[in-house]
Amino acid sequence: DIVMTQSPDSLAVSLGERATINCKSSQSILHSSNDKNYLAWYQQKPGQPPNLLIYWASTRESGVPDRFSGSGSGTDFTLTISSLQAEDVAVYYCQQHYGTPRTFGQGTKVEIK
Amino acid sequence: EVQLVESGGGLVQPGGPLRLSCAASGFSFNNYWMSWVRQAPGKGLEWVANIKQDGSEKYYVDSVKGRFTISRDNAKSSLYLQMNSLRVEDTAVYYCAREVGGWREFDYWGQGTLVTVSS
Repeated sequence: DIVMTQSPDSLAVSLGERATINCKSSQSILHSSNDKNYLAWYQQKPGQPPNLLIYWASTRESGVPDRFSGSGSGTDFTLTISSLQAEDVAVYYCQQHYGTPRTFGQGTKVEIK
Repeated sequence: EVQLVESGGGLVQPGGPLRLSCAASGFSFNNYWMSWVRQAPGKGLEWVANIKQDGSEKYYVDSVKGRFTISRDNAKSSLYLQMNSLRVEDTAVYYCAREVGGWREFDYWGQGTLVTVSS
């Protein structure tokens, strides 16, 4: 199985400041056939299902604010919130869909400092 | 508007069965792979199983193989998860999720249904 490891487990950021979450896969999730990284990011607020933010590691889902961005390739990925807003308080998960079973990172809790 | 509505959760004793359903609307259900994803209380997300558009391919996480069966009825736009031999560790909120395409991310999720396995 591909193991996804996120860091940190939690972080507290001041409003308007940058938040950075890292995700590392135990093997490359870059598919040679299409040169795409099979990595997605989700946001989950308390009592709600996850919400897709980013796919193909760096493509923002429709309707997602542009303060959210994804980067990285191969085994190392990053989700950045450029200017944290109060509504961004949530747990964030990375997920690989390169292989079966699909696996998620353990989650990173983002709070306001 | 895409909607996924799960039902069938509840309290069940260890070793017992339970069948979850997911009613889909607002899109052509028979054009999409579908998945079940679960989340134990206070824990992270775990993919459970998925099924191809025509039901010809099904995949499971190892921990549920031989105990859970995913199925679908395209005429009813419904997804199912038959869970047998339930264990305490199967306690979780179970989400139905739509896959963008084969081996793709999940773009829509239901609100989830809680399964509690306890004596």
